[in-house]
Amino acid sequence: KQEVTQIPAALSVPEGENLVLNCSFTDSAIYNLQWFRQDPGKGLTSLLLIQSSQREQTSGRLNASLDKSSGRSTLYIAASQPGDSATYLCAVRLRSNDYKLSFGAGTTVTVRA
Amino acid sequence: ETGVTQTPRHLVMGMTNKKSLKCEQHLGHNAMYWYKQSAKKPLELMFVYSLEERVENNSVPSRFSPECPNSSHLFLHLHTLQPEDSALYLCASSQGTGVGYEQYFGPGTRLTVT
Repeated sequence: KQEVTQIPAALSVPEGENLVLNCSFTDSAIYNLQWFRQDPGKGLTSLLLIQSSQREQTSGRLNASLDKSSGRSTLYIAASQPGDSATYLCAVRLRSNDYKLSFGAGTTVTVRA
Repeated sequence: ETGVTQTPRHLVMGMTNKKSLKCEQHLGHNAMYWYKQSAKKPLELMFVYSLEERVENNSVPSRFSPECPNSSHLFLHLHTLQPEDSALYLCASSQGTGVGYEQYFGPGTRLTVT
């Protein structure tokens, strides 16, 4: 069974600092990995999706890397802003499963103005 | 906003009540999902429907009863719930259930059982 862990569970940084969020998974035979953002009491918004053949994906201030061999992904958010405050979730899709996503519990980020 | 809507957004119910959650997707997708998100825990997949047929029931108690009358609508009927069922219930949809299809999530229904 795929286990997905996100550390730390919570993070507070001053505005302008770079954010580094970690996601680790136990089964390296993944199809893809996805990072989501969730605002309080809201649904999930997809940020970045990395296929198993890729090493990283970038979108604006966001960059996600993937190292399958070590079972890790890192989400970098450059020059954080108060609007980046949210919970960030990573989810892994296995090759052997079709629709099933294994989610981490998330990292809750607070960016202080 | 995404193309997946959920109503109501908030629901408070007693343990003896019967209520229903509704999800509607406007994306032309063929698969729909119910997830449960409890505080500080990973999302748990509850049910999956593909072309209106249930393809997954992830050991969910019978007090939760899903219904998918067509590919655009998904319901979760609730009865005699327990306080530990309080959570955010998320609906999602995808074009298909194959590994290459991305899931799109609704805003969720915050359920409180008193």
